[in-house]
Amino acid sequence: GQNIDQPTEMTATEGAIVQINCTYQTSGFNGLFWYQQHAGEAPTFLSYNVLDGLEEKGRFSSFLSRSKGYSYLLLKELQMKDSASYLCAVRDNFSGTYKYIFGTGTRLKVLA
Amino acid sequence: DSGVTQTPKHLITATGQRVTLRCSPRSGDLSVYWYQQSLDQGLQFLIQYYNGEERAKGNILERFSAQQFPDLHSELNLSSLELGDSALYFCASSVGTENTEAFFGQGTRLTVV
Repeated sequence: GQNIDQPTEMTATEGAIVQINCTYQTSGFNGLFWYQQHAGEAPTFLSYNVLDGLEEKGRFSSFLSRSKGYSYLLLKELQMKDSASYLCAVRDNFSGTYKYIFGTGTRLKVLA
Repeated sequence: DSGVTQTPKHLITATGQRVTLRCSPRSGDLSVYWYQQSLDQGLQFLIQYYNGEERAKGNILERFSAQQFPDLHSELNLSSLELGDSALYFCASSVGTENTEAFFGQGTRLTVV
C-alpha cells in the first residue's frame, strides 16, 4: 500500500535546529517533496529529492534515503516565522499512473 | 503572490448542487494540479493536467471532473455535492510535468450546506 508517516507536532526554540522526519511506503517511488503551510494559507514548495543524499537551500535542508523509505527536513537558525505545518509528499508511479501522496503534516511551534 | 489565480475565493452552496472552480496558472506554466484539503483528511491530490492532457490522477471521486483548456486555465467541476465535500480546494501550477517546484493559488473555500 501507500503510506506516509510524520510526527503530528514538534516544538523548538528560536535559534535552534529542528529535524522533521518522514517515512514512506509506496509502490513506485518517483520523488519526495516538502512543503510549508502557514495556518490559513496555501502550501509553499520547500524542496524536492529524487536521489539519495542531502539538498541544501539556505536555512533548510532535505535528506532522502530511498532504501530506507526515509526523509527528513532540517531547519536551522529557527525563526518565529517558521512556526507552520510541514508537509511531506511522495510522487508515486504505479503501473504508469502518477499520483501524489501527502502526509498529514507536522505542526511546528517555535518558541521565543 | 504566487501568480496562480483561483476564483471564487469562497463558495457556499446546497447539497446536490454542482459548482465549477477556476484556476489560472502562472504565466508560462503548462501543468495544473488540483488538491482538496479538509480538516480531517489533510491535503489530498486530485488530478494533474499538462498542456491540456491528463497527466496524473489521485483518488478523485467520480462526481468530480476537471479539464485544462487551450489557454491553459483549468476548471474543477464538483457535482451532486455532499456535506463532506466542504473543504479548501487548491490549484497549483508548474512549468513541467514533474512538479519539481509547484506554486499554489490561495484556494477556494467551498461550504456545502
